[in-house]
Amino acid sequence: EAGVTQFPSHSVIEKGQTVTLRCDPISGHDNLYWYRRVMGKEIKFLLHFVKESKQDESGMPNNRFLAERTGGTYSTLKVQPAELEDSGVYFCASSQERASGRQETQYFGPGTRLLVL
Amino acid sequence: GQSLEQPSEVTAVEGAIVQINCTYQTSGFYGLSWYQQHDGGAPTFLSYNALDGLEETGRFSSFLSRSDSYGYLLLQELQMKDSASYFCAVRSGGYNKLIFGAGTRLAVHP
Repeated sequence: EAGVTQFPSHSVIEKGQTVTLRCDPISGHDNLYWYRRVMGKEIKFLLHFVKESKQDESGMPNNRFLAERTGGTYSTLKVQPAELEDSGVYFCASSQERASGRQETQYFGPGTRLLVL
Repeated sequence: GQSLEQPSEVTAVEGAIVQINCTYQTSGFYGLSWYQQHDGGAPTFLSYNALDGLEETGRFSSFLSRSDSYGYLLLQELQMKDSASYFCAVRSGGYNKLIFGAGTRLAVHP
C-alpha cells in the first residue's frame, strides 16, 4: 500500500510568487492534515480535512494560505503571495475515520521543503 | 498556551539505552505519541499512550504519567540507524490535531 505522497519535494520561489503544494493521502483515509515546520522548530498544525470538509483550520497563519480537498481525495495548499517567513517544511498526514475513543495513527508524508527568497 | 518540552539533543553509544523525556502543558489531552524522523524523511509513528503506564514495542518503550504531564521514550540496544530526531506529540482536542514538541536529535556513536 502506498504511503502519503507529497509534491513537489522541494520548491524555491521568490517573495510575492505563488506556490501550490499537493498531498495524496493513503487511499481510504478520510482525515487529512497539513502541518508545517519552520526553522527547525516544532511541527505546527495548520488544518484538518474530513473528506472534503475543513474540520479545523485554526492553525492557518493568515489568508495568504488556501487549502482545498476536491472530492475528498488529494489536497492542495496554496500560498499566495509567498513571504520570506513562509519558508519551511510542509507536511501532510492522513488517518482513517475516527472511531469513538480511539486514537487513529497519523501517517506522514516526506514533506515539501519550501524556500522563499 | 500549549507547549511540549523535550531535550534538543541526546548522544549515546551503540548498544546503550537512552531515555527521551517530554513534559507537556496543553488545554486538553487525549494521548501522547512519539514519532521518529530521519533527515529528509517523513515523521514515522513509533508509539502512543492514552493511559498511564508503559507501552513496549520491540526495542522501544513509551511511558506516560498524566498526573505529572510527563512521558518518555526509551530506546534500548541502540543501533546506528536509530540516529534521528524524535518528536513527542499530544492529541489536544476532539479533532485529532497533534501538538508537537520541537524534537530531540539523537546521535548514536560506535
